[in-house]
Amino acid sequence: ETGVTQTPRHLVMGMTNKKSLKCEQHLGHNAMYWYKQSAKKPLELMFVYSLEERVENNSVPSRFSPECPNSSHLFLHLHTLQPEDSALYLCASSQELRAEAFFGQGTRLTVV
Amino acid sequence: GENVEQHPSTLSVQEGDSAVIKCTYSDSASNYFPWYKQELGKGPQLIIDIRSNVGEKKDQRIAVTLNKTAKHFSLHITETQPEDSAVYFCAASIHGNQFYFGTGTSLTVIP
Repeated sequence: ETGVTQTPRHLVMGMTNKKSLKCEQHLGHNAMYWYKQSAKKPLELMFVYSLEERVENNSVPSRFSPECPNSSHLFLHLHTLQPEDSALYLCASSQELRAEAFFGQGTRLTVV
Repeated sequence: GENVEQHPSTLSVQEGDSAVIKCTYSDSASNYFPWYKQELGKGPQLIIDIRSNVGEKKDQRIAVTLNKTAKHFSLHITETQPEDSAVYFCAASIHGNQFYFGTGTSLTVIP
C-alpha cells in the first residue's frame, strides 16, 4: 500500500462522456501531481499542485481539468476526450515540491 | 528542458545474474535522480535515488552510480530474482519540483 489511492482503477468512457478521476493521499504531503503514462513514452507530467495551488500546467488540453479542494485530494475532470487520451493516469504526492514522489496505482482509461 | 534517455527498453537475464540499466540526461543542473519500479497493475514505486553530491549508492542488491561529467547514471541489480521482473524507470529532477522520466526498461528474470 503506497499511501496514495486512486479511483477508479479502470474506466471506459465514450468521447461525449464526462467523468472524474480521484486521488487521495494519506501521507500528509503538500504537493500532488497528475501524470499520463502512454505505452513506450516517458511519463508526462500534466499538473502540479502545491498547498492546493496549481503551480504548473504543462500545455495540457482543456478537456482535462484538475481540481484540488484540499491537500489530501486531487481530481482530474474529463470531458469530450479523444481515443488518443487512452492511457494510464497516475497521481503522485510528495512532502513538498522538492522531494521524491510517491505514486498511486493509476487509473487505466480507455476512450471509445 | 531536460531530456532523459533510457536503455535498454527490454532486458532478460537468468536468475542470479546481474542487470544493468542506463540513463543519460541533458541538463547539467539536474541534481536528483530517482529510480522507480513498476509492477504490473501498479504505479511506480521509488526503489533507490541518488543526489548529485555522491557518485554511488547501494541498498542490498540494488545500487545506483552517477557520472556527472558524462551526464549518465545507472541502476545495478545483483543476484536477480524472479520478483525483480518489472518495468524500471529512471528520472532526473532539476531542483526537485519536476521529474523527467525515461521511457522505461522491461526487465524479465528467467528462473
